[in-house]
Amino acid sequence: AQSVSQHNHHVILSEAASLELGCNYSYGGTVNLFWYVQYPGQHLQLLLKYFSGDPLVKGIKGFEAEFIKSKFSFNLRKPSVQWSDTAEYFCAVKTGGFKTIFGAGTRLFVKA
Amino acid sequence: GAVVSQHPSRVICKSGTSVKIECRSLDFQATTMFWYRQFPKQSLMLMATSNEGSKATYEQGVEKDKFLINHASLTLSTLTVTSAHPEDSSFYICSAALTSGSDIQYFGAGTRLSVL
Repeated sequence: AQSVSQHNHHVILSEAASLELGCNYSYGGTVNLFWYVQYPGQHLQLLLKYFSGDPLVKGIKGFEAEFIKSKFSFNLRKPSVQWSDTAEYFCAVKTGGFKTIFGAGTRLFVKA
Repeated sequence: GAVVSQHPSRVICKSGTSVKIECRSLDFQATTMFWYRQFPKQSLMLMATSNEGSKATYEQGVEKDKFLINHASLTLSTLTVTSAHPEDSSFYICSAALTSGSDIQYFGAGTRLSVL
């Protein structure tokens, strides 16, 4: 069965620290990959996506993610986090059809 | 950007009653809407995919008669939890896609259902 695995459930960082959130998926075919973010009290919203082309994609607020096909990974990175990045981050994978599979989410808390 | 409104944000009901949750796309027409359920500390679990004007497609294990979905227009989908029981208590989230082939989903704020 297709699945998405996020390695860390909770991450605590100090401001200016670098961030990397892991995401691996299990599916051998073509995928579309997403990172969604949910800030406290707000809707889930798209942070960035990969459909094709350059495997290093840049999203909003300085986030980027790298698709490594050989590792079935799509890790999220940010060089220097801010307190306002405190949120829950969801990795998601869409294979054929309309269904998107979400990871369990990673709660990031950034200490001011 | 595309906005999805979900109402109510929170509902508390007695066991045996039915609860309707609305999901509206405010500034776009959504050919496809999705209904998810989220358990504490777990991921969003897709319950069903709703296409305007046709029957919803339910995921395996989701009771069609329990979770009634209606997508009567391009801007509105509803989820009715019929004869709710405490085990139905959960966080329900809807999302909408601009077109049937669009991969980007726009999410509502979610509905916290508590069944007493």
